[in-house]
Amino acid sequence: EDKVVQSPLSLVVHEGDTVTLNCSYEVTNFRSLLWYKQEKKAPTFLFMLTSSGIEKKSGRLSSILDKKELSSILNITATQTGDSAIYLCAVESYYGGSQGNLIFGKGTKLSVKP
Amino acid sequence: GAGVSQSPSNKVTEKGKDVELRCDPISGHTALYWYRQSLGQGLEFLIYFQGNSAPDKSGLPSDRFSAERTGESVSTLTIQRTQQEDSAVYLCASSPERAGELFFGEGSRLTVL
Repeated sequence: EDKVVQSPLSLVVHEGDTVTLNCSYEVTNFRSLLWYKQEKKAPTFLFMLTSSGIEKKSGRLSSILDKKELSSILNITATQTGDSAIYLCAVESYYGGSQGNLIFGKGTKLSVKP
Repeated sequence: GAGVSQSPSNKVTEKGKDVELRCDPISGHTALYWYRQSLGQGLEFLIYFQGNSAPDKSGLPSDRFSAERTGESVSTLTIQRTQQEDSAVYLCASSPERAGELFFGEGSRLTVL
């Protein structure tokens, strides 16, 4: 059974800290790995990773994929209170012959204290 | 519309009743997904529509759950004979082609008493 595991499940840090969120996966036919941020209701897209070793960066956030280790990390530097959210990792796979099924992990709840 | 629209935003129902949840995807998006999110949990895949292909129903938890989509437009998720464990936020997402950058709606919060 395909699965995506995120760690830690929750994390509390202070403004200015740097955090690293982890995502590991086991899927039959890997296609891509995605990170989303969920603040209240609708998750919003952060990154899509398909190639191993190539870092994607957006401001203070960055992510990299390691296909050999079947994992990815999401880094946030100089954290701000506005970074408080649930960070979701998802893996796109071919499943049962269908294209494009996204399997999500349980998420990491990040709380940034002033 | 500008984004994915879901209705109702909140639904409270009694155990045993049927409910329908609606999703209006972004115009032109061929892929549409339904997910369920229980308190403190990640997103649980339910069903996926892609164009005119047969939907991937592998995530539907029981035969009480069904979903339809008319062409590349509106989708309806139906839960028959609701149970308390069906209480969750039901999220709909659409995408231009296949998975990747999914655009999520605000969700429908279902509470079964």
